[in-house]
Amino acid sequence: AQTVTQSQPEMSVQEAETVTLSCTYDTSESDYYLFWYKQPPSRQMILVIRQEAYKQQNATENRFSVNFQKAAKSFSLKISDSQLGDAAMYFCAYRSPYSGGGADGLTFGKGTHLIIQP
Amino acid sequence: DTAVSQTPKYLVTQMGNDKSIKCEQNLGHDTMYWYKQDSKKFLKIMFSYNNKELIINETVPNRFSPKSPDKAHLNLHINSLELGDSAVYFCASSRRTQYERGKFFGPGTRLTVL
Repeated sequence: AQTVTQSQPEMSVQEAETVTLSCTYDTSESDYYLFWYKQPPSRQMILVIRQEAYKQQNATENRFSVNFQKAAKSFSLKISDSQLGDAAMYFCAYRSPYSGGGADGLTFGKGTHLIIQP
Repeated sequence: DTAVSQTPKYLVTQMGNDKSIKCEQNLGHDTMYWYKQDSKKFLKIMFSYNNKELIINETVPNRFSPKSPDKAHLNLHINSLELGDSAVYFCASSRRTQYERGKFFGPGTRLTVL
């Protein structure tokens, strides 16, 4: 079974600065998908960015980018020019493309609470 | 134009009661899910439902049952509620052949069992 570990329960950053949230995972599969989800106080889960394991290029979405290190099984999220609206819980998630026999869901980390200091 | 909606947002009830949470998606997705988020924010899949195929996480008690009247809806029924059922429940949807795009989640329903 896959596991996802987020070792930082809480991170704090000054507005306009850059912060990196870490995520590591354990899998024996060679092809899979990785995601970062954001959960603001409204509780809605919002997809921030995704990465296909077969792609070597790191995914980027505006101020959000990832550092995907497949050999190290690491998938960190970098937020540049942090804004107050970025304050939220951030969840790293793993999905196998071969989950037909299981619950067909995502395996989530326990989340990192990101605080933005004005 | 809400993509995935859930009702109610908050649900407070007594132990032993039976309750339902409704979920609807207007994205044309073919797969819907229910997740439970406990007090420590840990998210866990409960069910996935695709084209009348229900896949259940084996750790979910059989007091929980999803019901899908059509492709756009997946409601969650909970019988004989227990204190430990208190959590936030999220509905989500996706297109099975496009799972790389991630899932779309609803806003969550906070269930409190007294």
